[in-house]
Amino acid sequence: HITLKESGPALVKPTQTLTLTCTFSDFSLSTYGVGVGWIRQPPGKALEWLALIYWNDEKRYNTSLQSRLTITKDTSKNQVVLSLTNVGPVDTATYYCGHRPGDLDYFDFWGQGALVTVSS
Amino acid sequence: SHVLTQPPSVSVAPGQTATVACGGRSLGIETVHWYQQKPGQAPVLVVYADKYRPYGIPERFSGSNSGNTATLIIYGVEAGDEAGYFCQVWDKSGDHPVFGGGTKLTVL
Repeated sequence: HITLKESGPALVKPTQTLTLTCTFSDFSLSTYGVGVGWIRQPPGKALEWLALIYWNDEKRYNTSLQSRLTITKDTSKNQVVLSLTNVGPVDTATYYCGHRPGDLDYFDFWGQGALVTVSS
Repeated sequence: SHVLTQPPSVSVAPGQTATVACGGRSLGIETVHWYQQKPGQAPVLVVYADKYRPYGIPERFSGSNSGNTATLIIYGVEAGDEAGYFCQVWDKSGDHPVFGGGTKLTVL
């Protein structure tokens, strides 16, 4: 069945760039309509959508973070990479990636999450 | 853009029915999805398209959506249902998900 797993640094210094990788299996990001999204959750707080990339390489970004975010995919490696520049303490959160089924507007499978702490 | 409002907490006794509300302007014309999140775990989709259950989710989970409020309904609540619950819709104009603030369900 579909699985996703986030990987990246657990600790990042302020002003640095955070790069996270979502490695997935049992689906292809070249299949019509499929998307992979990134969602984060600060400790004890709500879910916040960050970015989404589709099978056809179309991308969507949270407008409040758009200038700092980049999402890319490597279909051959079954990976999606998220970069967040100029991080600060407010970016401390658990970062999740999720699978969006083709033409459906929810995430049916999620990764386990990666906790990222921004601190000097 | 959508704003989804959820009560911070709901409490219910075991065996009773729990209802978790999600409010938003004209929410009834949207399609609402619900996620369960237990401490230290990733969210799990428990209801999609207002009232349908993904494979493997107990029949105790259901939902409704009308007017300005969508509701997650959990029948015969069990201790294992204690978790955070988030509602979600899709902003079609911006093509992105919108999440509610989450509700912590406590089983007394």
